[in-house]
Amino acid sequence: AQSVSQHNHHVILSEAASLELGCNYSYGGTVNLFWYVQYPGQHLQLLLKYFSGDPLVKGIKGFEAEFIKSKFSFNLRKPSVQWSDTAEYFCASNAPGTGGFKTIFGAGTRLFVKA
Amino acid sequence: DTGVSQDPRHKITKRGQNVTFRCDPISEHNRLYWYRQTLGQGPEFLTYFQNEAQLEKSRLLSDRFSAERPKGSFSTLEIQRTEQGDSAMYLCASSPQAGGYTFGSGTRLTVV
Repeated sequence: AQSVSQHNHHVILSEAASLELGCNYSYGGTVNLFWYVQYPGQHLQLLLKYFSGDPLVKGIKGFEAEFIKSKFSFNLRKPSVQWSDTAEYFCASNAPGTGGFKTIFGAGTRLFVKA
Repeated sequence: DTGVSQDPRHKITKRGQNVTFRCDPISEHNRLYWYRQTLGQGPEFLTYFQNEAQLEKSRLLSDRFSAERPKGSFSTLEIQRTEQGDSAMYLCASSPQAGGYTFGSGTRLTVV
């Protein structure tokens, strides 16, 4: 069975600090990986996704994530955070080989960026 | 296209009542998903449709829950005999054949 774990539930950073949010998935087969973001008062939005190819994926707003198959990881990074990045971030995976696109989400990481 | 629409945004109901939520997906998306999210947790999968066919249901979906997607367009999620533990945000999402989800704003259910 698939599962996704996110290392930190809460992260507090100052503006301009670098960000790395950890994510590990459990499924041993082919997976698609995602990061979603939920800004305060808004709905979940897709930040970036990995299906295949270059393991370094670039998303919107300067975010990127690196797929490391040997570590079952898909960590999210941003070199310099802004106050507007304050949000909750969810890592997610689905396994297309299992016959559907049911996506499993991690518990989320709340990021607070101090101005 | 204005994205995925969910109605209502908020629903307060008394324990034991039935409630029904509606989701209108992006018209080109043939897959539609229902999730439930509680405070401090990520979205939990409930069920999904490919066109009008309900292909998978989570064990979280007890007999009191039923979902439909007639004609492969909008979907409804009904909860019968609501319980306080049903209080949550109910999220609908749609996707094309392959790809990330587009989520709606959700329906927040409070059972009192």
